[in-house]
Amino acid sequence: AQSVTQPDIHITVSEGASLELRCNYSYGATPYLFWYVQSPGQGLQLLLKYFSGDTLVQGIKGFEAEFKRSQSSFNLRKPSVHWSDAAEYFCAVATQAAGNKLTFGGGTRVLVKP
Amino acid sequence: KAGVTQTPRYLIKTRGQQVTLSCSPISGHRSVSWYQQTPGQGLQFLFEYFSETQRNKGNFPGRFSGRQFSNSRSEMNVSTLELGDSALYLCASSLDASGYTFGSGTRLTVV
Repeated sequence: AQSVTQPDIHITVSEGASLELRCNYSYGATPYLFWYVQSPGQGLQLLLKYFSGDTLVQGIKGFEAEFKRSQSSFNLRKPSVHWSDAAEYFCAVATQAAGNKLTFGGGTRVLVKP
Repeated sequence: KAGVTQTPRYLIKTRGQQVTLSCSPISGHRSVSWYQQTPGQGLQFLFEYFSETQRNKGNFPGRFSGRQFSNSRSEMNVSTLELGDSALYLCASSLDASGYTFGSGTRLTVV
């Protein structure tokens, strides 16, 4: 079955430190890959997405993600975290074969210490 | 351009009642999909509509239904509400599987 796993439920990071959020997927072929961020009570904002080509993808707010086919991973990184990055982050995948349907990981809640 | 608009933002209903939520997609987007978000189950796909036809459906009971109008606006309906239906309901607008824009959601509380 197709699945998306975010192994870390919570991550606490100091402001100014680097951040890496992990995402692993299980799909038959390379899917479309997404990272979304959600602030409390809000909808989902797209940070970045990967379809093909360069495996290092740049997104908004200084985030980047690297696709590693051999590891079925799509990890999100930010070199220096700001207090406003405190939120919940979701990795998601979609395939053309599955139609317009996103499958989400369980999310990682990021807390930023001053 | 305008984003995805979901109405209402908040809703309180009593068990056994029914509720209708609305989603207006980005202009030109013909696909609207719906998701339920709860603390226990996370984000789960409900269904997707494209050009007024349900094209994809998640694993939810028949109490959950939807429709799409010719202007691509979509509604979802939940009948015979249960306490467990309390959730944030999100809709996403897209052209195809390569991109999804979400609305701010409707927070449904069932009491």
